[in-house]
Amino acid sequence: QKEVEQNSGPLSVPEGAIASLNCTYSDRVSQSFFWYRQYSGKSPELIMSIYSNGDKEDGRFTAQLNKASQYVSLLIRDSQPSDSATYLCAVSLKPYNNNDMRFGAGTRLTVKP
Amino acid sequence: EAGVAQSPRYKIIEKRQSVAFWCNPISGHATLYWYQQILGQGPKLLIQFQNNGVVDDSQLPKDRFSAERLKGVDSTLKIQPAKLEDSAVYLCASSLEYSGVGNTIYFGEGSWLTVV
Repeated sequence: QKEVEQNSGPLSVPEGAIASLNCTYSDRVSQSFFWYRQYSGKSPELIMSIYSNGDKEDGRFTAQLNKASQYVSLLIRDSQPSDSATYLCAVSLKPYNNNDMRFGAGTRLTVKP
Repeated sequence: EAGVAQSPRYKIIEKRQSVAFWCNPISGHATLYWYQQILGQGPKLLIQFQNNGVVDDSQLPKDRFSAERLKGVDSTLKIQPAKLEDSAVYLCASSLEYSGVGNTIYFGEGSWLTVV
C-alpha cells in the first residue's frame, strides 16, 4: 500500500465549476498535510497546509481534513484554465512540520474554457 | 528575492557515468533539501541539511549518491555511477527554519537528468 494515494486523473472540469481533489494516507499518526500545485515542467509550489480536522479556506481553495478516515481533500471553486496543473498531496508524520513529507503521485487537473 | 538556483538544468549521460548537480538556496535559509522526482511520481526526499549538517538521509542510495553542503550555503548532489533508473528531475529546495507553522519550503526549477 502506498503511503499517500491520489487518483492520477486526468480530472477535467469546465471553467467556473468546482474541482474536487482527494488524497488518502496510510499512516494513522500523520500530523501535517499539504497541497502543492505543479505546472508542467515546473517545480511544486505550496497552496495550502492543514493540521487539524475540518475545513481551511484560502481564497478559492478549501482544504478538508478527516483524520479518522485518513483523507484530505482540496476543493477549487470557480475553476480557471490557469488552475490546470498537477496537484500533489503531501503528508508528514510530524506536527506543524514539513521536513519529512511523503508525496502522492499527483492528480492532473484540466480546466476547460 | 532570488529563488533557489540550480544547475545544470538539463543533463544527458550514459549509464555508469557520473554527474553532479549544484544548488544555491535562498539567502538566509538554514534548511536545504534534495528531492528526486521520477516522471509520473511525486517528489521523494533524498537528503536534508540543517546548516551544514545532515538531518535525514534515510532515502539516499548511499552506494551511488552523495551530497554535501559547503559552509552551510551551497550544496552539491553527485551520482556515481549512474543507472537508467536514476533518470528523474532532481529538485533542490530550501526553507528558513527547520519546522513550524508557516515554514514554507521553496523549490528550485530542478535539474533534469536522462541516463541512456
